Amino acid sequence: EAGVTQFPSHSVIEKGQTVTLRCDPISGHDNLYWYRRVMGKEIKFLLHFVKESKQDESGMPNNRFLAERTGGTYSTLKVQPAELEDSGVYFCASSQEWRGIQYFGAGTRLSVL
Amino acid sequence: GQQLNQSPQSMFIQEGEDVSMNCTSSSIFNTWLWYKQDPGEGPVLLIALYKAGELTSNGRLTAQFGITRKDSFLNISASIPSDVGIYFCAGNYNQGGKLIFGQGTELSVKP
Repeated sequence: EAGVTQFPSHSVIEKGQTVTLRCDPISGHDNLYWYRRVMGKEIKFLLHFVKESKQDESGMPNNRFLAERTGGTYSTLKVQPAELEDSGVYFCASSQEWRGIQYFGAGTRLSVL
Repeated sequence: GQQLNQSPQSMFIQEGEDVSMNCTSSSIFNTWLWYKQDPGEGPVLLIALYKAGELTSNGRLTAQFGITRKDSFLNISASIPSDVGIYFCAGNYNQGGKLIFGQGTELSVKP
């Protein structure tokens, strides 16, 4: 069974550009989470989807970040326009049950120059 | 917001030594989890703890859910080079699914 996959693995963009990250959860997992780790700090929660609905988006930093999960399968996280402080590793995780074990993808390392 | 204080931030040990790391919180947590992240990979769950006082082992790893529900520790016995990586504690404190993570403990093991 395939795990959580994220694309791209690395992205280097200039300040002001737009970047879209993609996450494919484990098949059948209704719960999908986005997290971010910035500059060696803790991994911070961004938002939680249950199927296609945003269950909790309390961690989204500002309106430059837009997450979608059309059809309740894969999810995208778009940053527009990107700022320097957006650099970090963006992780996606999925779980089968509400508050079930979360399985993480390898992450997308975003560098904003 | 909720925070977990994880210590130590880094450890440099000799192969064969035992390792201990811990996390504390000012708030009560319902679940404590320990993850390990290898370079270039995402965090992988090592141990999950669901009850106060629970002591759980997974091979050479042992973790406990503190009685006060505000802390947890992870011990690694007889460390080996493949134990190298970043260890994160994480917890869930409300009815939602989001996890709160500690800052991570970077472990280096010298053969």
